[in-house]
Amino acid sequence: EVQLVQSGAEVKKPGESLKISCKGSGYSFTSYWIGWVRQMPGKGLEWMGIIYPGDSDTRYSPSFQGQVTISADKSISTAYLQWSSLKASDTAMYYCARHLSGSLFDPWGQGTLVTVSS
Amino acid sequence: QSALTQPASVSGSPGQSITISCTGTSSDVGSYNLVSWYQQHPGKAPKLMIYEGSKRPSGVSNRFSGSKSGNTASLTISGLQAEDEADYYCCSYAGSSTYVVFGGGTKLTVL
Repeated sequence: EVQLVQSGAEVKKPGESLKISCKGSGYSFTSYWIGWVRQMPGKGLEWMGIIYPGDSDTRYSPSFQGQVTISADKSISTAYLQWSSLKASDTAMYYCARHLSGSLFDPWGQGTLVTVSS
Repeated sequence: QSALTQPASVSGSPGQSITISCTGTSSDVGSYNLVSWYQQHPGKAPKLMIYEGSKRPSGVSNRFSGSKSGNTASLTISGLQAEDEADYYCCSYAGSSTYVVFGGGTKLTVL
């Protein structure tokens, strides 16, 4: 079974750094792109960016370029999303998903809730 | 404001059919037959329902169908069931710069 398992919920203060993870299993992790999607409380889905774990080629949404860093460690089949200095507005659920082509994301991870509050 | 425009809400009675529209531009929906639709129940991760405009993944009911005309894609759900009540998001490939855009989402209520 193809599966993406994300790290657990995080509570952080503004200005702190954070790295959340997404571990793939049941398929060749290096052969498919992994995407990250933000969902702010009560709001819709926003595409953040994608990474190809095979060579770490990365593409960012213009809205998120410079705000986050997407990386991957193919040796442990894990993709990451990280912030160097969190803001309250980063409070959201973050999903990873395998990107097959075009706008096709399947499956999705269970989500990681990030709460940033002083 | 989302890149793709969806109605905020639609509703229908059990057994009826509903259609959710997703309007983009000639730079996304209109240029590529690469629209996907995702279903999201409260507190759950999104689930792929339609890809490449009209294709259904294995395991998705044939009550779900997709189509496109010009810059507008549509998701139709026939024979509405209570379990269909959820949020639905369209998503389109938008070229090598923007890459992917989502719609704002539509809340489906089964009356």
